[in-house]
Amino acid sequence: EDQVTQSPEALRLQEGESSSLNCSYTVSGLRGLFWYRQDPGKGPEFLFTLYSAGEEKEKERLKATLTKKESFLHITAPKPEDSATYLCAVQAKQGAQKLVFGQGTRLTINP
Amino acid sequence: NAGVTQTPKFRILKIGQSMTLQCAQDMNHNYMYWYRQDPGMGLKLIYYSVGAGITDKGEVPNGYNVSRSTTEDFPLRLELAAPSQTSVYFCASSYLWSDTQYFGPGTRLTVL
Repeated sequence: EDQVTQSPEALRLQEGESSSLNCSYTVSGLRGLFWYRQDPGKGPEFLFTLYSAGEEKEKERLKATLTKKESFLHITAPKPEDSATYLCAVQAKQGAQKLVFGQGTRLTINP
Repeated sequence: NAGVTQTPKFRILKIGQSMTLQCAQDMNHNYMYWYRQDPGMGLKLIYYSVGAGITDKGEVPNGYNVSRSTTEDFPLRLELAAPSQTSVYFCASSYLWSDTQYFGPGTRLTVL
């Protein structure tokens, strides 16, 4: 069964303090790994899709990387507006092809 | 484009009542989805549709029904509401199954 585990559950950083969020996955043939950002009371907002090990994508202070077993969302010099819950999801090549989501990492950036 | 819209934003139901959550998209997407999100849990797929007239069950379909008569609309029906259906419901859409899914703002439902 496809599975996604995100760690830590919650992370509190000072403004400017860089860190990484982890997404570990097991899937029978990865078609894509997705990162979303979710603000309180809002729907998930798409950030990145990664397709193969070694791939990296960047957007402002965020960089997503992918290996065969996990993905990292690196946040460099974060600002308070980066505070949100970050969701990871995987989609398999075969079978149901649905998105399987992790439980999310709640990130708080203190000014 | 408004993207994916959902109504209502909030709703309180009594046990046994029924209601329909509305979802509409204006991106001409073929695929539409309904998820529920419970605290500390990942989003779970309830139902999905690959086009008008075609729907299928997801991971947690019990207690729900859907229909898709047009490309734009994908309502979710709750019959005989139960406290276990207290959750936040998100509708999403994508052009193809393999494409990025875009989410609506959600409906927070409480069943008392």
